[in-house]
Amino acid sequence: DTGVSQNPRHKITKRGQNVTFRCDPISEHNRLYWYRQTLGQGPEFLTYFQNEAQLEKSRLLSDRFSAERPKGSFSTLEIQRTEQGDSAMYLCASSPPVGDNEQFFGPGTRLTVL
Amino acid sequence: AQKITQTQPGMFVQEKEAVTLDCTYDTSDQSYGLFWYKQPSSGEMIFLIYQGSYDEQNATEGRYSLNFQKARKSANLVISASQLGDSAMYFCAMRGSRLIQGAQKLVFGQGTRLTINP
Repeated sequence: DTGVSQNPRHKITKRGQNVTFRCDPISEHNRLYWYRQTLGQGPEFLTYFQNEAQLEKSRLLSDRFSAERPKGSFSTLEIQRTEQGDSAMYLCASSPPVGDNEQFFGPGTRLTVL
Repeated sequence: AQKITQTQPGMFVQEKEAVTLDCTYDTSDQSYGLFWYKQPSSGEMIFLIYQGSYDEQNATEGRYSLNFQKARKSANLVISASQLGDSAMYFCAMRGSRLIQGAQKLVFGQGTRLTINP
C-alpha cells in the first residue's frame, strides 16, 4: 500500500524560472489538496480538487500559480516566473470520498528560489 | 472565517511524563472537525487524532487523547507516557462542515515544538 507521493522532493531554481510539481494521491481518494508551508508556520491552503474539478482556490494563489488534475488522479502545481518569496515546502494531501475527511499528506516538495 | 490558535511555541517534557498541548479555535460553523497532526524533522505531516463537533465523547487513539471543551472552544491534545520519538512539531487544525462545498480545507495553527528529554 502506497501513500501520497510527491515529486520532486527538492527543487532549486533561479528567480524567473517556471517549476512544476507532481502529486500522486492514494488511489481511491477523490479529494486532493495543495498547501504551502513556510519556515516556522503551519501549512496554508492553496487549492482543492474533487475528482478533476477544482472547487476552491485560496487568495494566496496568485495568477502565477496554476494547478490541474486532468483525469482525477495525479495533480500538478505549476509556478510561473518564480520569486524568492515562493520558497517554501509545498504539501499535497488526499482524502477519501466518505469518512471524517482526514487528509493524508505526502512528504512535500521543498522549493528554493535563488 | 476559521482560526486556530496555539499559544505554546515550545514545550519541554521529561520522558514518560504526560504532556498537554493547547489549541483554541474560532468558527461560526455549527458543524466542524478538529484534527491534530505531528510533523517530525523529516517534514511529513502525520495524522494523530480527530474530533467531530457533535461527538459527545473525547476522541482517543492509543497514547493520544483530545480534551474537547466545546463551550470554551478548546481542543487540547494530551500525550500520555511521552517517548523520545514524540519530539516533533504538533499542529492543531480544523475544517468546516463536510456538507458544505469549499469547507473541506484544513486551517492550521502555528504549531508547538515538543521536545522530550531523556
